[in-house]
Amino acid sequence: KAGVTQTPRYLIKTRGQQVTLSCSPISGHRSVSWYQQTPGQGLQFLFEYFSETQRNKGNFPGRFSGRQFSNSRSEMNVSTLELGDSALYLCASSWAASGANVLTFGAGSRLTVL
Amino acid sequence: GQQLNQSPQSMFIQEGEDVSMNCTSSSIFNTWLWYKQDPGEGPVLLIALYKAGELTSNGRLTAQFGITRKDSFLNISASIPSDVGIYFCAGRDNYNQGGKLIFGQGTELSVKP
Repeated sequence: KAGVTQTPRYLIKTRGQQVTLSCSPISGHRSVSWYQQTPGQGLQFLFEYFSETQRNKGNFPGRFSGRQFSNSRSEMNVSTLELGDSALYLCASSWAASGANVLTFGAGSRLTVL
Repeated sequence: GQQLNQSPQSMFIQEGEDVSMNCTSSSIFNTWLWYKQDPGEGPVLLIALYKAGELTSNGRLTAQFGITRKDSFLNISASIPSDVGIYFCAGRDNYNQGGKLIFGQGTELSVKP
């Protein structure tokens, strides 16, 4: 069974640009969660999608958005990038909505903002 | 955002030594999870705990769900070099926070051969 796949693995952007990250969950998993990982803040929850609906949202500005498609694949977008957005963005999937299931993580997309 | 208090932040130990780390929260959790992250990879689940007082082992790893439901610990016995990595606790409150998983800051483990 293929794991959680995130693309791209690495990317470099400049301030003011926007970025889209993609996540393909494990086959059969319908919930996708996104986390931002930085050395100073650890793993911070961004949002969770289940059946194309956002179920949960963390405390991030509106520049951070996401969506989920009918095949459960998810994308997150960050607009007007700031230096502080440099981080490892992790996607995790589970077969049901949060509350009862463990999360399986992808390897992450490492974003560097110059 | 809300986080758990995980300690210690880092540990430098000799191969063969036992390791202990813990997490505490100001709120009650229904689930405690322990993950390990290797460099350049995402976190991988080590142990899941679902009941207060539960003690679960996975090889040389043992974790417990505190009876107050506000803490958990992870022990690693007879450490080996491949234990190196960052260990995260994570807690979930199904009735508040929408069931989202809250992570500790991580414990970075270094093992000297």
